[in-house]
Amino acid sequence: DGGITQSPKYLFRKEGQNVTLSCEQNLNHDAMYWYRQDPGQGLRLIYYSQIVNDFQKGDIAEGYSVSREKKESFPLTVTSAQKNPTAFYLCASSIRLYTGELFFGEGSRLTVL
Amino acid sequence: DAKTTQPPSMDCAEGRAANLPCNHSTISGNEYVYWYRQIHSQGPQYIIHGLKNNETNEMASLIITEDRKSSTLILPHATLRDTAVYYCIVRASSGTYKYIFGTGTRLKVLA
Repeated sequence: DGGITQSPKYLFRKEGQNVTLSCEQNLNHDAMYWYRQDPGQGLRLIYYSQIVNDFQKGDIAEGYSVSREKKESFPLTVTSAQKNPTAFYLCASSIRLYTGELFFGEGSRLTVL
Repeated sequence: DAKTTQPPSMDCAEGRAANLPCNHSTISGNEYVYWYRQIHSQGPQYIIHGLKNNETNEMASLIITEDRKSSTLILPHATLRDTAVYYCIVRASSGTYKYIFGTGTRLKVLA
């Protein structure tokens, strides 16, 4: 079945450590996105990518970095510069940028101790 | 993008229809109404979308008013598994319009 796989589902890290969240899709979608969700809040866009080797900052990109070396993969690194990294992170894709429906992964919950 | 307004929470008895309203009074002619839901600690799931006409699929029905300023998502026979946060989003079908997920409606289906 086609879909989006995020890993790990749960992650604990010490303050000051970088951490990378994986996102892989087999839907053959061009566009991929990373969102952050805090308790009781909506989704906020961190980064998005329209195509391989291209990505753009979203609304809250500070303290995060991404890469898009393959169409299927869009990993997110939460760096030590992110002041409040504990959150639920969601990866999504769509057939083209902002076109059609979004497909989401199951999410990764990061807790920084 | 048009903004949406949804009630923060609703309850529904199991087996009854759940009717979730959404106001989008500033919607433009080329903007669709999309509905997603998010079960606790999972990623949001697409439910349905429409432009002007009412739509139905295996999950739900979408009723859009004639002036398109509001819509209602109907889950015809709610089950406990429908307990989730439901998001109403309005956006153009393509282009540079972002998907804007607000805080949605938290639906609790009661046994």
